[in-house]
Amino acid sequence: DADVTQTPRNRITKTGKRIMLECSQTKGHDRMYWYRQDPGLGLQLIYYSFDVKDINKGEISDGYSVSRQAQAKFSLSLESAIPNQTALYFCATSDLGTGVQTLDSNQPQHFGDGTRLSIL
Amino acid sequence: QKEVEQNSGPLSVPEGAIASLNCTYSDRGSQSFFWYRQYSGKSPELIMSIYSNGDKEDGRFTAQLNKASQYVSLLIRDSQPSDSATYLCAVINSNYKLTFGKGTLLTMNP
Repeated sequence: DADVTQTPRNRITKTGKRIMLECSQTKGHDRMYWYRQDPGLGLQLIYYSFDVKDINKGEISDGYSVSRQAQAKFSLSLESAIPNQTALYFCATSDLGTGVQTLDSNQPQHFGDGTRLSIL
Repeated sequence: QKEVEQNSGPLSVPEGAIASLNCTYSDRGSQSFFWYRQYSGKSPELIMSIYSNGDKEDGRFTAQLNKASQYVSLLIRDSQPSDSATYLCAVINSNYKLTFGKGTLLTMNP
């Protein structure tokens, strides 16, 4: 079984619909992230969470919301989907690392298999 | 200046040759550096981490870090068709922010 599982893997929907993408992990990591990837633009950070009570906006949070239901679960919602939100979406996790401070982390991120989302 | 820069490529190398991928970063206080491989339509896969100046070898892969010159590179020896992918450089800067480069597409010449 994958350490970081995303559902659904593919989704086609219409403009204006509400969509939820789910991510669960068995790695025991505290930190979770949502990215979108568009051709030629690289990975763009949408939201991230350092623990269950912590939610932070990334570079492109407008039009998205998230919920950290448990240490292992982090979901991404599009309240009213629009065509320019068509992209490949990735969830990632990382360990806290060896830093003393809460925000210290020098650990890499580990990615789920992605959700290909198309909005018509 | 972009935080993490990579040549987008494509970089084409003959099979069996050494592929050299380069990445530069802007924050001199950056402390952690990673290389990911991403096949088309798939997720990024971590292949190397490096934290100290010098070389780090793992199989056919060697990561090289030069903090004074603010660059990190990835060498792939004995390049194989399965190495054809986009390679992403990722850097954790002095504020513990992880930033990805846009990636370099590597292709093999048969």
